[in-house]
Amino acid sequence: QQQVKQSPQSLIVQKGGISIINCAYENTAFDYFPWYQQFPGKGPALLIAIRPDVSEKKEGRFTISFNKSAKQFSLHIMDSQPGDSATYFCAASKGSNYQLIWGAGTKLIIKP
Amino acid sequence: NAGVTQTPKFQVLKTGQSMTLQCAQDMNHNSMYWYRQDPGMGLRLIYYSASEGTTDKGEVPNGYNVSRLNKREFSLRLESAAPSQTSVYFCASRAYLGGANTEAFFGQGTRLTVV
Repeated sequence: QQQVKQSPQSLIVQKGGISIINCAYENTAFDYFPWYQQFPGKGPALLIAIRPDVSEKKEGRFTISFNKSAKQFSLHIMDSQPGDSATYFCAASKGSNYQLIWGAGTKLIIKP
Repeated sequence: NAGVTQTPKFQVLKTGQSMTLQCAQDMNHNSMYWYRQDPGMGLRLIYYSASEGTTDKGEVPNGYNVSRLNKREFSLRLESAAPSQTSVYFCASRAYLGGANTEAFFGQGTRLTVV
């Protein structure tokens, strides 16, 4: 019940295309769903986050779609650019719990 | 602001040697975490400290110990290093605002090789 399952493990997208990464969770008590971006040799950094009271959140080219009934959330990167090439992690957390539960990560490569 | 600072950045140990990874944050965060990152396995929590004076085991605590020295500093110790502990180690910190989830800030990582 604590797991967050992330797919795909790796993804190659042409420049200008849409990158989509999916995550699924089991624990309905989770109330915070962030996405982190990690470049080689760096620590992960928060990209965008959503709470379950909204179905979508958009920040620039990055959008989180949230489906509470299906217990799934996804990251969409519009107009993908080579600079978006990185590893992306989804995570989930419950307000009173100090731990973030992490997906396994998706290595995204944007081909020029 | 420096954020989360980890030292060292790189380390090579021989099997059986001990070492301590240092982590300090200057954001006045309550919670601090140690993760290890291995290819294809994402981030796995080793230990965390919800607040100064408390520490708890995470998913993979065996072979490690931690100390929350004060609010700023959280160290990770390997008492007798093993090749299975070859990994990239990340320290992170996070504010705790009465139950509200907040952003986790990560250090740059320590790349540890045990030979």
